[in-house]
Amino acid sequence: AQSVTQPDIHITVSEGASLELRCNYSYGATPYLFWYVQSPGQGLQLLLKYFSGDTLVQGIKGFEAEFKRSQSSFNLRKPSVHWSDAAEYFCAALRGGNNRKLIWGLGTSLAVNP
Amino acid sequence: NAGVTQTPKFRVLKTGQSMTLLCAQDMNHEYMYWYRQDPGMGLRLIHYSVGEGTTAKGEVPDGYNVSRLKKQNFLLGLESAAPSQTSVYFCASSYRDRGMNTEAFFGQGTRLTVV
Repeated sequence: AQSVTQPDIHITVSEGASLELRCNYSYGATPYLFWYVQSPGQGLQLLLKYFSGDTLVQGIKGFEAEFKRSQSSFNLRKPSVHWSDAAEYFCAALRGGNNRKLIWGLGTSLAVNP
Repeated sequence: NAGVTQTPKFRVLKTGQSMTLLCAQDMNHEYMYWYRQDPGMGLRLIHYSVGEGTTAKGEVPDGYNVSRLKKQNFLLGLESAAPSQTSVYFCASSYRDRGMNTEAFFGQGTRLTVV
């Protein structure tokens, strides 16, 4: 079955440290891939997406993600975390074409220590 | 351009009561979705719609009904609320680009408590 896995339920980093959130997918073919962020009490906001082409994609708020086909991964990175980055992060996948439904990971909760 | 708007934002229901959650989008998106979010369970799809007048079941449709009479609106109904339906509900919409589905845009959520 198609699935998206976020292995880390909760991560704590210090402000200014680098961050990497992991995401793995299981699909027969390369899906469309997304990272969303959810601040407390808010809806989900798209950080970045990968459809095709350059495997390193840049997003908003200084985030980037790298698609690695050989590892079926789409990890999210940020070189220097800010306290305002504390939030829940969701990875999602959409099989290409006319597929209608996103497949979601369970999320990674990020805490930032001052 | 308001994006995706959900009403109400908060609601408390008694067991057995009914209610309708309204989702409106002003982006002319074809697809609309209703999710529920519960701690530790991520986002689960309740129902979705690929166009005006069409709806389909998602992962957890039981106890819910939906309607999409107008392209911009997607209604989620609870006919007889149960405590298990206490959750945060999110509506989302997405568009087709060159025939392919794209990213979803989310509303701010409705926090529903059933007592």
